[in-house]
Amino acid sequence: EDQVTQSPEALRLQEGESSSLNCSYTVSGLRGLFWYRQDPGKGPEFLFTLYSAGEEKEKERLKATLTKKESFLHITAPKPEDSATYLCAVQVNTNAGKSTFGDGTTLTVKP
Amino acid sequence: EAQVTQNPRYLITVTGKKLTVTCSQNMNHEYMSWYRQDPGLGLRQIYYSMNVEVTDKGDVPEGYKVSRKEKRNFPLILESPSPNQTSLYFCASSPVVHQPQHFGDGTRLSIL
Repeated sequence: EDQVTQSPEALRLQEGESSSLNCSYTVSGLRGLFWYRQDPGKGPEFLFTLYSAGEEKEKERLKATLTKKESFLHITAPKPEDSATYLCAVQVNTNAGKSTFGDGTTLTVKP
Repeated sequence: EAQVTQNPRYLITVTGKKLTVTCSQNMNHEYMSWYRQDPGLGLRQIYYSMNVEVTDKGDVPEGYKVSRKEKRNFPLILESPSPNQTSLYFCASSPVVHQPQHFGDGTRLSIL
């Protein structure tokens, strides 16, 4: 069974205090790993896709990396507007349409 | 504007009264999916569709039905809703499978 575990559940940072969110996965044949951001009362919004170990993607203060067992979402010098829940999801080769999400990390950035 | 539209956004109903949540996308996407989200949990997949007339079960399909008669629409049907189906529901679509999904704004269902 495919499993995705995100840690920590919640993270409180001061503005400017860099940190990382973790997404560890146990799947049979990773096809793609996705990071989404979810604001309260909204649907998830796509951030990054990673397809192979060693891949990195970057956008503003966010950088996503991927190894064979986990992915990190690094947040550099966060601002209060980065406060949200960050979700990680995987899709696998053996079951094309299935998506498995982690429970998310809720990030709060204090000014 | 490219979007996934769900209706209704909010619904309070009673046990056993059939209901349908509609989902429509205007991006000509082949892949569509339904999820439910409960407090403290991520999204759990209910059903997905790779294309018209092709649907398959996700992790939590019990008590739900779907159909995909047209590319743009993917309704979620609860034939006999029960209180344990009280949840926040999201519809999503992507151009094809294995690509990032675009999500609707959600439907909050309360079943009394």
